[in-house]
Amino acid sequence: AQSVTQLDSQVPVFEEAPVELRCNYSSSVSVYLFWYVQYPNQGLQLLLKYLSGSTLVESINGFEAEFNKSQTSFHLRKPSVHISDTAEYFCAVSDTRDDKIIFGKGTRLHILP
Amino acid sequence: DSGVTQTPKHLITATGQRVTLRCSPRSGDLSVYWYQQSLDQGLQFLIQYYNGEERAKGNILERFSAQQFPDLHSELNLSSLELGDSALYFCASSVGLALTGELFFGEGSRLTVL
Repeated sequence: AQSVTQLDSQVPVFEEAPVELRCNYSSSVSVYLFWYVQYPNQGLQLLLKYLSGSTLVESINGFEAEFNKSQTSFHLRKPSVHISDTAEYFCAVSDTRDDKIIFGKGTRLHILP
Repeated sequence: DSGVTQTPKHLITATGQRVTLRCSPRSGDLSVYWYQQSLDQGLQFLIQYYNGEERAKGNILERFSAQQFPDLHSELNLSSLELGDSALYFCASSVGLALTGELFFGEGSRLTVL
């Protein structure tokens, strides 16, 4: 069965500094990978996804994630964070046989002024 | 606004009771997913329905049940409630099977069991 590990439950970072949120997955088959964001008091929203092709995927608000098959990772990065990026970020995986999408426990991003 | 509607937004009840959470998916979406979010367990997949039929099951307790009706709305029934069932319950929908697509989440129903 597939699983997702987000190594950091909280990440504090200064405004305009770079950030990386780590995600590792385990699965015995091909996977699709996702990052979702949950702003305070809201439901989750899709941030970006990897299905196939280029291993680097980008979102419209400056985040990017790179699929690394050998390291079974899908880390999320942003070169310069803004206060509005304060949220909880969830990595998720679905495998190609199964209809389930499994989420990690989330990483809370704190932006420090 | 995701287009997914969940009711009620907040619910406070006592141990041993039974509650029903309701979800209306986005117009045109055939799949409905239920997730439980708690501080210690994170976001746990409970169950998925596709066009009225159960499609996938996750960590759903036997005390919990769900169904999707012909009009595609879904209900999650939680019975013999325990303190540990206090959590935020999310419904999400997708056009088809969500493996490659996007899940649209509602704002959740916060259940507090006293």
